[in-house]
Amino acid sequence: QKEVEQDPGPLSVPEGAIVSLNCTYSNSAFQYFMWYRQYSRKGPELLMYTYSSGNKEDGRFTAQVDKSSKYISLFIRDSQPSDSATYLCALSTTSGTYKYIFGTGTRLKVLA
Amino acid sequence: DAGITQSPRHKVTETGTPVTLRCHQTENHRYMYWYRQDPGHGLRLIHYSYGVKDTDKGEVSDGYSVSRSKTEDFLLTLESATSSQTSVYFCAISGLAGVSYEQYFGPGTRLTVT
Repeated sequence: QKEVEQDPGPLSVPEGAIVSLNCTYSNSAFQYFMWYRQYSRKGPELLMYTYSSGNKEDGRFTAQVDKSSKYISLFIRDSQPSDSATYLCALSTTSGTYKYIFGTGTRLKVLA
Repeated sequence: DAGITQSPRHKVTETGTPVTLRCHQTENHRYMYWYRQDPGHGLRLIHYSYGVKDTDKGEVSDGYSVSRSKTEDFLLTLESATSSQTSVYFCAISGLAGVSYEQYFGPGTRLTVT
């Protein structure tokens, strides 16, 4: 079993829809949770970063962490065609080594 | 823009030849990383550095070596390139002022081994 699981998609939604992207993980030692957006042929770009459980909101994006279920989510409100990209989750422990485990990414298409 | 560049951006090389990829940062981040990204596997850590001359292996380090003689530069070397090393390579940085776990990526190097 992989440490982090992420549905590869593609996920196609109409413009304006609410998008839910998810990752599950197996290691309860993960404490830091990040979401990256990656456009085609570009490097990943950090979108959201949360520590431990709870929600964090930034504009149209909300990151949610449920440590009891080992489940993290990224919600995108009022989705736009410019949100079409691959979204990767990344997790890290507090071991001090600053090592990150990435999901394989979910490809999102927002249709105009 | 996190001030991170990679060179070259594209390279085609033959099996058995040595290849060195360079990562350069301008913001004094302590930690630097090399990843490879392949379809179906996502980003996998090759090596990382937690300071000048301090490096450690990641999950897919076989066939790769690294060096960090200056804070700003992290080199990845394929001693004898193989076709299985055809991939997109990303450098990343984190740990500015020892504050955060936020990690920033470079633009990537597309390597093809023929």
